[in-house]
Amino acid sequence: DAKTTQPNSMESNEEEPVHLPCNHSTISGTDYIHWYRQLPSQGPEYVIHGLTSNVNNRMASLAIAEDRKSSTLILHRATLRDAAVYYCILRDVNTGTASKLTFGTGTRLQVTL
Amino acid sequence: DAGVTQSPTHLIKTRGQQVTLRCSPKSGHDTVSWYQQALGQGPQFIFQYYEEEERQRGNFPDRFSGHQFPNYSSELNVNALLLGDSALYLCASSLRLAYHQETQYFGPGTRLLVL
Repeated sequence: DAKTTQPNSMESNEEEPVHLPCNHSTISGTDYIHWYRQLPSQGPEYVIHGLTSNVNNRMASLAIAEDRKSSTLILHRATLRDAAVYYCILRDVNTGTASKLTFGTGTRLQVTL
Repeated sequence: DAGVTQSPTHLIKTRGQQVTLRCSPKSGHDTVSWYQQALGQGPQFIFQYYEEEERQRGNFPDRFSGHQFPNYSSELNVNALLLGDSALYLCASSLRLAYHQETQYFGPGTRLLVL
């Protein structure tokens, strides 16, 4: 599995944008970039995913570098409820029905008032 | 629409015992995956079940086994418990579509403590 590298922790003020980086220099052409987050005392939840183009949904935006060796998850206005561990995960589209998620240690986001 | 449910929420066992954890997938889902999450670590993939068969397995010993029932619910069994098996056990369900980047939906987990 291609590996991802994320900072261990980040801090943000409430109502401000947060940019969570992820490096994946060994990404292959068939790897999708997925983000999940895990709120305290909960299981992980899906946030967003993309392949080459930037993606937006109601939770966040995903900016993917042109060479695809890095990506950034953007929370446009962080709230206290966004405090969580954020995981950047690569998934090979060719795995078909073998769809395990390979988690790293993620980035712990702290949001303060 | 109920999401993924797991039981029990917490469990305390002693070394050498056996434990069974249960998972009901989200309505409409047919695939169940199990993960182990040690304190301070990301979840680690144990195995995945589809059509009542184990389809993929992570790097876990044979002490870890599972089962999927015709209603898609699943059990995780761990035999001969070790102290190191203490962890949060997460169940995730998804809909199995070939070559589709399906989203996995996780339950709240079962926290197992082995003494």
